[in-house]
Amino acid sequence: TQLLEQSPQFLSIQEGENLTVYCNSSSVFSSLQWYRQEPGEGPVLLVTVVTGGEVKKLKRLTFQFGDARKDSSLHITAAQPGDTGLYLCAGAPPPGYKYIFGTGTRLKVLA
Amino acid sequence: EAGVVQSPRYKIIEKKQPVAFWCNPISGHNTLYWYRQNLGQGPELLIRYENEEAVDDSQLPKDRFSAERLKGVDSTLKIQPAELGDSAVYLCASSTQGFYNEQFFGPGTRLTVL
Repeated sequence: TQLLEQSPQFLSIQEGENLTVYCNSSSVFSSLQWYRQEPGEGPVLLVTVVTGGEVKKLKRLTFQFGDARKDSSLHITAAQPGDTGLYLCAGAPPPGYKYIFGTGTRLKVLA
Repeated sequence: EAGVVQSPRYKIIEKKQPVAFWCNPISGHNTLYWYRQNLGQGPELLIRYENEEAVDDSQLPKDRFSAERLKGVDSTLKIQPAELGDSAVYLCASSTQGFYNEQFFGPGTRLTVL
């Protein structure tokens, strides 16, 4: 059973457009992490969100943790070709579950 | 500071052959993870070490997979015998001790089983 569902699965947009990626679960997470992975490389941690309702900004990227800590979103403003990659959310749900990654969103930003 | 080093980067083998992957974590990182990533999906945890102890290997298919982390530094993941379905990228990550602190990933080993 996949506990972290991401949407959309694929996204292709023009440079300068805005976009939002979602990460949803029916379970409560104590924290969620967002990674970006480029072809041929391992995932690189972007941010960790811990508190329900928390908003974190990383340049043009805005991350939000849902109030109930069951979902998170990543918003990119004025996307650039360098933002292209696979975006993954990840976390460790309630005790007894393993650290898991979401299904991933593959983003392509066209120049 | 050097990152997580993995070798080989690519491996092509025939089914039923053995294969081994090697990982050198970031210096000072006590926790080491092995993940498997199938094409188009997120990584799936296989095993987690705290120093030389495997503290979570519940996702490791023990009939054909084995891992070791001698002296609590480098680690080796082995598959014997390999099956077609084992084709994937095998990622190693390390972190400072603690439950899923920030993980630093290596570039992975892409395994193709023919």
